[in-house]
Amino acid sequence: EAQVTQNPRYLITVTGKKLTVTCSQNMNHEYMSWYRQDPGLGLRQIYYSMNVEVTDKGDVPEGYKVSRKEKRNFPLILESPSPNQTSLYFCASSPWGGSYEQYFGPGTRLTVT
Amino acid sequence: AQTVTQSQPEMSVQEAETVTLSCTYDTSENNYYLFWYKQPPSRQMILVIRQEAYKQQNATENRFSVNFQKAAKSFSLKISDSQLGDTAMYFCAFVQGGSEKLVFGKGTKLTVNP
Repeated sequence: EAQVTQNPRYLITVTGKKLTVTCSQNMNHEYMSWYRQDPGLGLRQIYYSMNVEVTDKGDVPEGYKVSRKEKRNFPLILESPSPNQTSLYFCASSPWGGSYEQYFGPGTRLTVT
Repeated sequence: AQTVTQSQPEMSVQEAETVTLSCTYDTSENNYYLFWYKQPPSRQMILVIRQEAYKQQNATENRFSVNFQKAAKSFSLKISDSQLGDTAMYFCAFVQGGSEKLVFGKGTKLTVNP
């Protein structure tokens, strides 16, 4: 089944404790992206990657890191999480060009206390 | 920069009736794509319908249709014969041709009442 997976689905952590949210897709998509969703703000892009070893900042990159060492994986790293990073996070992927339809993962609910 | 505006934070409709969700966008380009995504309580993002800017014909998917007014930069979603399962947050989104970056509106929370 073609899909984007994220882990964990739920995470409660404390300020300053490094964490990684994994994202994996099995559709051989070139493009992958991370979004955060906050009430009243919609979804905003954090980082994106157009292919292996090619990443760039989105609209709200502060406090986040990413890497793209393999085509299928695009982890989101929070080196020192803060309460303002409490949010719902989505990973998405799409084939470069064509339909521009993005396929979303199920979301990760992160709470930083 | 492109922006997407959804002016209705919340809406409600009776089951079996028709409802229209509004969306406007701002761009100076001619090559772009527009989408409506549905987010039910499960939080999954589900593509409802998409429209290519170069197509004059409005897209339709079963009970869902759009009214695409390119000159007015308007892209509204009409849901006919509303069902309880249509209760969800709906996001309008824009992507520039040649880019993969989705720009989202802030969403409209739709409640379908029995």
